[in-house]
Amino acid sequence: EAGVAQSPRYKIIEKRQSVAFWCNPISGHATLYWYQQILGQGPKLLIQFQNNGVVDDSQLPKDRFSAERLKGVDSTLKIQPAKLEDSAVYLCASSLEGLAGFPYEQYFGPGTRLTVT
Amino acid sequence: GIQVEQSPPDLILQEGANSTLRCNFSDSVNNLQWFHQNPWGQLINLFYIPSGTKQNGRLSATTVATERYSLLYISSSQTTDSGVYFCAVETYNTDKLIFGTGTRLQVFP
Repeated sequence: EAGVAQSPRYKIIEKRQSVAFWCNPISGHATLYWYQQILGQGPKLLIQFQNNGVVDDSQLPKDRFSAERLKGVDSTLKIQPAKLEDSAVYLCASSLEGLAGFPYEQYFGPGTRLTVT
Repeated sequence: GIQVEQSPPDLILQEGANSTLRCNFSDSVNNLQWFHQNPWGQLINLFYIPSGTKQNGRLSATTVATERYSLLYISSSQTTDSGVYFCAVETYNTDKLIFGTGTRLQVFP
């Protein structure tokens, strides 16, 4: 079974530029997550989709970050304009759709390492 | 919100040694996962263990939900075990994984 796919693996941009990341979840996984991992810390959830609807985007900096999941499969995360503090690894994860209070295991992709100069 | 603390923060072992990593959490959980983040940054699932005990080869884990802690045991450690170990929990109120502070493990030959 193929895992979660992400691209690109690395990206270097200058501040104020824009960047987009792509994620393809495990086949059949209805729930998709984007996390930000700053060096030395654990991942932090940015946004969660259930099929193509947003479940939680409370920690997404909406003035510069946006995400979409068209057709309930692939997803893109965009940053525009980027700031120095956005330098981090962006991880995508997916899981089966659980019932309320009974979550399934999350599986993570390899991540995209973003450097903003 | 829920607090997730891991100990020790750093661990240095010689190949072949055993170790125990601990994860304490401050609220009832309905999901607990242990991950290994390898030096290339990939998060690898080790265990999905909101309660009980599981074993997979040299690794085993125990979660005592009523006392709000989980333990990860690594036996006969190998250099490939090096990396950062995270526990992450989800509660009935949060519906999202909250990651702990991590334990950085270095195994030397």
